[in-house]
Amino acid sequence: AQKVTQAQTEISVVEKEDVTLDCVYETRDTTYYLFWYKQPPSGELVFLIRRNSFDEQNEISGRYSWNFQKSTSSFNFTITASQVVDSAVYFCALSRFSGGSNYKLTFGKGTLLTVNP
Amino acid sequence: DARVTQTPRHKVTEMGQEVTMRCQPILGHNTVFWYRQTMMQGLELLAYFRNRAPLDDSGMPKDRFSAEMPDATLATLKIQPSEPRDSAVYFCASGFSGDTQYFGPGTRLTVL
Repeated sequence: AQKVTQAQTEISVVEKEDVTLDCVYETRDTTYYLFWYKQPPSGELVFLIRRNSFDEQNEISGRYSWNFQKSTSSFNFTITASQVVDSAVYFCALSRFSGGSNYKLTFGKGTLLTVNP
Repeated sequence: DARVTQTPRHKVTEMGQEVTMRCQPILGHNTVFWYRQTMMQGLELLAYFRNRAPLDDSGMPKDRFSAEMPDATLATLKIQPSEPRDSAVYFCASGFSGDTQYFGPGTRLTVL
């Protein structure tokens, strides 16, 4: 069975602070995908990133960066110089890579990030 | 900018009534997913279609829920009869095979 744990339920920071959202996953698959989605107060789910399990390179996109460590089954997300617009619930998710019909996403419970001005 | 669309965005109904939610996946995507989001359970998969065929509906209460894809541009989720515990946000997502799933804006359902 697959499982995603986001231990931080809520995080509150002041604008311009850096913040890291933790994600730990469990899977028996050797190949898999990891995702981060953002859910702003408006409610939609916005795709942020997808990583393959065989690609452990960290990724940076503007103020966002992701640290994938297979050895610790973690896929952490860092926002540098946070802004009020970053306030949202962030979900980490896991799915199978290929070779079957089950590509469903297993989501963590989410981390509510509040960035205060 | 291709997007998944869902209708209605909000629905308030009384217990026992039938509810139909619709989803238009992104053109060219061959997989469609229905998820439900509640405070207690978080995001959970209800049903999953690939090339319009249902592949996994294990998360769906079979006695009252049904999901179909009449054609490649329309997926429906029906609840009959609806109950207060069905109140949730229902998301549709589409993708191509195992690729990234893109979510619609959701249907917020309230059953009184």
